[in-house]
Amino acid sequence: GDSVTQMEGPVTLSEEAFLTINCTYTATGYPSLFWYVQYPGEGLQLLLKATKADDKGSNKGFEATYRKETTSFHLEKGSVQVSDSAVYFCALGNSGGSNYKLTFGKGTLLTVNP
Amino acid sequence: NAGVMQNPRHLVRRRGQEARLRCSPMKGHSHVYWYRQLPEEGLKFMVYLQKENIIDESGMPKERFSAEFPKEGPSILRIQQVVRGDSAAYFCASSPSQSSYEQYFGPGTRLTVT
Repeated sequence: GDSVTQMEGPVTLSEEAFLTINCTYTATGYPSLFWYVQYPGEGLQLLLKATKADDKGSNKGFEATYRKETTSFHLEKGSVQVSDSAVYFCALGNSGGSNYKLTFGKGTLLTVNP
Repeated sequence: NAGVMQNPRHLVRRRGQEARLRCSPMKGHSHVYWYRQLPEEGLKFMVYLQKENIIDESGMPKERFSAEFPKEGPSILRIQQVVRGDSAAYFCASSPSQSSYEQYFGPGTRLTVT
């Protein structure tokens, strides 16, 4: 079945450091790929997405490129801020008929210190 | 436009009791997904419902768990005779369309079974 593997945390960085959170997937066909962010006490929010190979999703300074050859969708940000502290989830969608459910990785806790 | 509402936010039940979790989708959304997040795990799909119909319940345990999404009112996830292993965060997400991964998540209900 479909699965998502993302780098285990926690990740602790200083403000303005470069961020990479690795994500790889296993899926048949051509899934869509997503990054979600979960701030403390809140639900998940869509951060960015890519729907086909070589697409780059971007939002709020975060980027991820859909690499089919390496089955990866790594999240990057050039300069993190304290407000980026949250849990980040990589997810894929591989619709089977009428169900557009998402398959999530375990999440990576990011803490950014001033 | 209010977001996805879930209540209660926190629920404590003793073993053997029933838990009822409610989810009010965003206005105009008629598709609801329920996910469960166990400690140290990512979100796992449980069930997908449209108004008055269960479309896919392949992720839901066969016993003790049920879900509904009536014509009027919120979607309900019901867990009968709860056990400690049911302790988790339960998230619902609503979608405006059947053919879309566009899902908006609620803040979750954290169920603790004592």
